[in-house]
Amino acid sequence: AQSVTQPDIHITVSEGASLELRCNYSYGATPYLFWYVQSPGQGLQLLLKYFSGDTLVQGIKGFEAEFKRSQSSFNLRKPSVHWSDAAEYFCAVVPSGSARQLTFGSGTQLTVLP
Amino acid sequence: DAGVTQSPTHLIKTRGQQVTLRCSPKSGHDTVSWYQQALGQGPQFIFQYYEEEERQRGNFPDRFSGHQFPNYSSELNVNALLLGDSALYLCASSLASTGGWSNQPQHFGDGTRLSIL
Repeated sequence: AQSVTQPDIHITVSEGASLELRCNYSYGATPYLFWYVQSPGQGLQLLLKYFSGDTLVQGIKGFEAEFKRSQSSFNLRKPSVHWSDAAEYFCAVVPSGSARQLTFGSGTQLTVLP
Repeated sequence: DAGVTQSPTHLIKTRGQQVTLRCSPKSGHDTVSWYQQALGQGPQFIFQYYEEEERQRGNFPDRFSGHQFPNYSSELNVNALLLGDSALYLCASSLASTGGWSNQPQHFGDGTRLSIL
């Protein structure tokens, strides 16, 4: 069955430290890949997306993600975390060529320590 | 440039009632999708509307229905509300390419928080 897995439910990092949030997918072919961020009580904001081409994609707020086909992964990274990055992060996929419904992972809650 | 707007922001209903949630897509977008996000979970796809028709549906019962209007705005209706319907309901819009398929990212509203007592 097609699925998206975010293995880390909760991650805590200190401000200024680096961050990596993991995402693995299980699809027959490479899907379109997305990372969204959700602050409390708000909707989802798109951080970055991967459709094809360069496997390292840059997003907003200093985030980047790397697509690794061999590992079926699309991990989100940031070299230096800011306190305002505390939020919930969702990885999402759409089957390529049939981009209708987003399938989301269960999310990773990020806490940033001062 | 207005983004996706949803109304109301909060709603309290009792079991068995019916509810209607509304969504206006981002300017220039023609496709609207609805998602249900239960507490502590990722959003789950309910259905998507394009050209005033339901184009795809997730694993939700017929109690969940929708509509898209000529101006691309959309409504989500839920009948016979259950306690388990308590959730944040998110609307997302995007721009479809030819034939209704789209590789454009979806833009989300802030959601409607529905509480069932």
